[in-house]
Amino acid sequence: DIQMTQSPSTLSASVGDRVTITCRASQSISSWLAWYQQKPGKAPNLLIYKASSLQSGVPSRFSGSGSGTEFTLTISSLQPDDFATYYCQQYDSYPRTFGQGTSLGIK
Amino acid sequence: EVQLVESGGGLVQPGGSLRLSCAASGFSLSAYWMHWVRQAPGKGLVWVSRTNSDGTTYADSVKGRFTISRDDAKNTLYLQMNSLRAEDTAVYYCARDQGDGHAFDYWGLGTLVTVSS
Repeated sequence: DIQMTQSPSTLSASVGDRVTITCRASQSISSWLAWYQQKPGKAPNLLIYKASSLQSGVPSRFSGSGSGTEFTLTISSLQPDDFATYYCQQYDSYPRTFGQGTSLGIK
Repeated sequence: EVQLVESGGGLVQPGGSLRLSCAASGFSLSAYWMHWVRQAPGKGLVWVSRTNSDGTTYADSVKGRFTISRDDAKNTLYLQMNSLRAEDTAVYYCARDQGDGHAFDYWGLGTLVTVSS
């Protein structure tokens, strides 16, 4: 199985900050990576697919980059609605695997 | 508008069975790969199973105990769960694959399964 490791696990930031979350795969997954946002009690929401493609309806302050084994999710200017947990997911092979999550809280 | 609505969760004893349903609307289930993903209380997301016209795939942790299926006429996805264990306790989400084995672009609200005596 491909292991996905996110860092950091928790992050505190302020509105307006630029934030970066890293996701590393245990083997190359090309660009087959997605990022999801999840708020408490809600289903995950797709933000980025194929490592850097913005899902329709997602604000442009979200961006993704990377390929192979190292990927990043960047939020250019944090908004109050962005405080949530973020997960990366590989879809290069089965079983599909997720990172452990990054909880983004208010500083 | 695409919608996925899960149902069928509840409290079940260890060793028991449960069948989850995921009613789809706004698109034809037969045209998409579909997945089940679960999330134990306070924990992260774990992929469970997928189905498309070519077949099914399961996580090792549920292989032989869970069965994914679909009724295209009812536009509904199912997850039959047998021999349930305490570690199967989770919110179960159905999710639509945006392409042939790609990211999950729509998710249901989830249904809670609790395995406890």
